[in-house]
Amino acid sequence: QKEVEQNSGPLSVPEGAIASLNCTYSDRGSQSFFWYRQYSGKSPELIMSIYSNGDKEDGRFTAQLNKASQYVSLLIRDSQPSDSATYLCAVPNRDDKIIFGKGTRLHILP
Amino acid sequence: NAGVTQTPKFRILKIGQSMTLQCAQDMNHNYMYWYRQDPGMGLKLIYYSVGAGITDKGEVPNGYNVSRSTTEDFPLRLELAAPSQTSVYFCASSFKQFSGANVLTFGAGSRLTVL
Repeated sequence: QKEVEQNSGPLSVPEGAIASLNCTYSDRGSQSFFWYRQYSGKSPELIMSIYSNGDKEDGRFTAQLNKASQYVSLLIRDSQPSDSATYLCAVPNRDDKIIFGKGTRLHILP
Repeated sequence: NAGVTQTPKFRILKIGQSMTLQCAQDMNHNYMYWYRQDPGMGLKLIYYSVGAGITDKGEVPNGYNVSRSTTEDFPLRLELAAPSQTSVYFCASSFKQFSGANVLTFGAGSRLTVL
């Protein structure tokens, strides 16, 4: 099993709808979880972090964490064309290695 | 603050040549990382460092070397370049907080082509 897994997509979502992105991880000792957004040809940028089980909301973004299931997700409400990007899930392990998933390409349909 | 600065931005190498990708940060971050990103893929960790004088292997270290003699600099050395090393390389740094949070700040990337 890979350390951090994501569906590579592409995921196509109509403008205004909710986009749901998923990530699973293998290291049960991981304590923090991050979502980065990467536009084509650009560097990744942090959009959400989550450390405790449950939901964390920031504007149109909600991160959800379930440590028992080793699952973290990102919801984007009221999706906009500017949300079209690749979303990368990142999970630091106990040795401070920060491992990324393959990323999910999200395409918002106008 | 310049943040994380990578040089060069672009480079073409011939098979068997060597080169060093430079990375410098001015945020006094203790952690630094090197990743490579192949087309349409995520980031693969090459090497990382938790402080000056300390380095450790990541997921794909073969064919690369690093050093961390200062807090600010974390150069990545490619020896005997191979076409498989054609990729975009990202350097990142972070300050690990007491809470354990370790948020990365990325450089702009270095695009390397090996022919």
